Amino acid sequence: QVQLVQSGAEVKKPGASVKVSCKVSAYTLTEVSIHWVRQVPGKGLEWMGGFNPDDGETIYAQRFQGRVTLTEDTSTDTAYMELSSLRSEDTAMYYCATAPSVVIPVSMVYFDLWGQGTLVTVSS
Amino acid sequence: QSVLTQPPSVSGAPGQTVTISCTGSSSNIGAGYDVHWYQQLPGTAPKYLIYANSNRPSGVPDRFSGSKSGTSASLAITGLQAEDEADYYCQSYDSSLSGSAFGGGTKLTVL
Repeated sequence: QVQLVQSGAEVKKPGASVKVSCKVSAYTLTEVSIHWVRQVPGKGLEWMGGFNPDDGETIYAQRFQGRVTLTEDTSTDTAYMELSSLRSEDTAMYYCATAPSVVIPVSMVYFDLWGQGTLVTVSS
Repeated sequence: QSVLTQPPSVSGAPGQTVTISCTGSSSNIGAGYDVHWYQQLPGTAPKYLIYANSNRPSGVPDRFSGSKSGTSASLAITGLQAEDEADYYCQSYDSSLSGSAFGGGTKLTVL
């Protein structure tokens, strides 16, 4: 049974960057497709990006393009989400989630397992 | 503003049936992309409830069902129970965004 364990809560100042980790257990990173979703307190879910098997690259949501970087360390089976130029509106819970298969096209992807979430607070 | 529109809230008494709609457009649901549904209980991470329009993962009660027609999809919950009180989200791919999108979410209150 795959498990996703995320890093702990962060408090950052406006303009700083934050890097959230998501460790995969029971499987290796090469066997899962990781995506990231955020949720501003009291608001809905927003997809940020994830693995695109169509070209083997990472695909980013347009509204986060240029500010978010998704990376993976296969030696530790850990995925990372780094968000830069933080502003107060980025205060949110950030989730990593897996798609059911590494070969499922981005156009068909859904998220069958979620991490516990990491709260990022941006405040001066 | 999401490209998938859900009602902000719905409610029903125990035992009743409620339906949550998810309205899209020709760049997402209407283009034939699958719709998926998630349940988020208070203070917890979302959990997938329905995938590919109408498929239930193992462990999800058959009281939950999904359907899709044209540019819309629906989640139906029959025999409402108190534990169904949660937020529900639809999700699909949008070609104009070149990525995945979620609906704004619907809060279900069991009266």
